[in-house]
Amino acid sequence: DGGITQSPKYLFRKEGQNVTLSCEQNLNHDAMYWYRQDPGQGLRLIYYSQIVNDFQKGDIAEGYSVSREKKESFPLTVTSAQKNPTAFYLCASSKAKTSGIYNEQFFGPGTRLTVL
Amino acid sequence: RKEVEQDPGPFNVPEGATVAFNCTYSNSASQSFFWYRQDCRKEPKLLMSVYSSGNEDGRFTAQLNRASQYISLLIRDSKLSDSATYLCVVKLNTGGFKTIFGAGTRLFVKA
Repeated sequence: DGGITQSPKYLFRKEGQNVTLSCEQNLNHDAMYWYRQDPGQGLRLIYYSQIVNDFQKGDIAEGYSVSREKKESFPLTVTSAQKNPTAFYLCASSKAKTSGIYNEQFFGPGTRLTVL
Repeated sequence: RKEVEQDPGPFNVPEGATVAFNCTYSNSASQSFFWYRQDCRKEPKLLMSVYSSGNEDGRFTAQLNRASQYISLLIRDSKLSDSATYLCVVKLNTGGFKTIFGAGTRLFVKA
């Protein structure tokens, strides 16, 4: 069964700690994304990656870091520099841009991060 | 002004009703359009893509008006299970992967 998995589902962090959110996909998608969703707001793009070993900042990258060492994996680290990290974090993937303009994004189940 | 705007609702409708959502976008580089559905505390899931000629999938009909820069979603014969937040999504033709999500419209279908 192909899909995207994220772990953990819930994560609690103390102020000053870095935490890493996992995202894995077996859809053979080239592109992967990280979004943040806050109540009453649309998804905001944190980082995206079009290919292994390459990634680009999104609209709200400050305080976050990513890596893309494998096609299947795109972990997100929330650093202590992120001032307001409590949010719902969603990972997504899609086919490569060149394969069509209607390449929709598929989402993982998300991770709810709470800073204590 | 937000790049993608939706009426946040909530829309409260009885079962069997027809309900319509509109979404406006401001970027003329907008190339492809989607409606996603998001259940409470869950991830968004693709409901349907929106094509220039309009398209229908069962009880759901999506329309695109490029001249006025808006898309719509019509749900006929509403079911209780249609209760969710509906996200309008616009993908830009800027050479990259810029996809913009609206904040969503909440729908409650009542028995």
